[in-house]
Amino acid sequence: DIQMTQSPSTLSASVGDRVTITCRASQSISSWLAWYQQKPGKAPKLLIYKASSLESGVPSRFSGSGSGTEFTLTISSLQPDDFATYYCQQYNSYLWTFGQGTKVEIK
Amino acid sequence: QLQLQESGPGLVKPSETLSLTCTVSGGSISSSSYYWGWIRQPPGKGLEWIGSIYYSGSTYYNPSLKSRVTISVDTSKNQFSLKLSSVTAADTAVYYCARHGAQFDYWGQGTLVTVSS
Repeated sequence: DIQMTQSPSTLSASVGDRVTITCRASQSISSWLAWYQQKPGKAPKLLIYKASSLESGVPSRFSGSGSGTEFTLTISSLQPDDFATYYCQQYNSYLWTFGQGTKVEIK
Repeated sequence: QLQLQESGPGLVKPSETLSLTCTVSGGSISSSSYYWGWIRQPPGKGLEWIGSIYYSGSTYYNPSLKSRVTISVDTSKNQFSLKLSSVTAADTAVYYCARHGAQFDYWGQGTLVTVSS
């Protein structure tokens, strides 16, 4: 099975900061990587799919990059609404796996 | 706008079977090439994919749960269902249903299921 490892687990940042979260796959997943934002008590929200495609309605300050085994989610200028937990998720051979999550906290 | 809604008991006894249903509205569960899946999240923890059913009826399960999981679809009611057998306290979680392809784009609001006697 493919394992997904996110880093860091927790990130403290200020409004306006550029934030980068990394997700590594235990084997190549091509570009089958998605990113989600989850706020307490809510379902996850899709931000990025196929590694770098922005979901409709998601602000352009969110971007994704990478392929193979290493991927990044970047928030170009952190806004108050962005403090949340972020998950990566891979798809390979009819199996779907999530990373353990990265909590973005207010510094 | 597609909407998904989970329903089922919020409390299940240990060793019994957890049963949940997801009702899909705003679109047909059988009219397009999507998977319909279940994901769970234990309190304070991360997301775990449980399994999915394709619109054609093919099923796919997380290997770690495969022996206990059954997912089925009722196209006449536009619903799909989850059964998880022999539950323990470790199965206590918020259970989400979702539509997906490679990524999960529509989610239900989630329902908390507690396993306790």
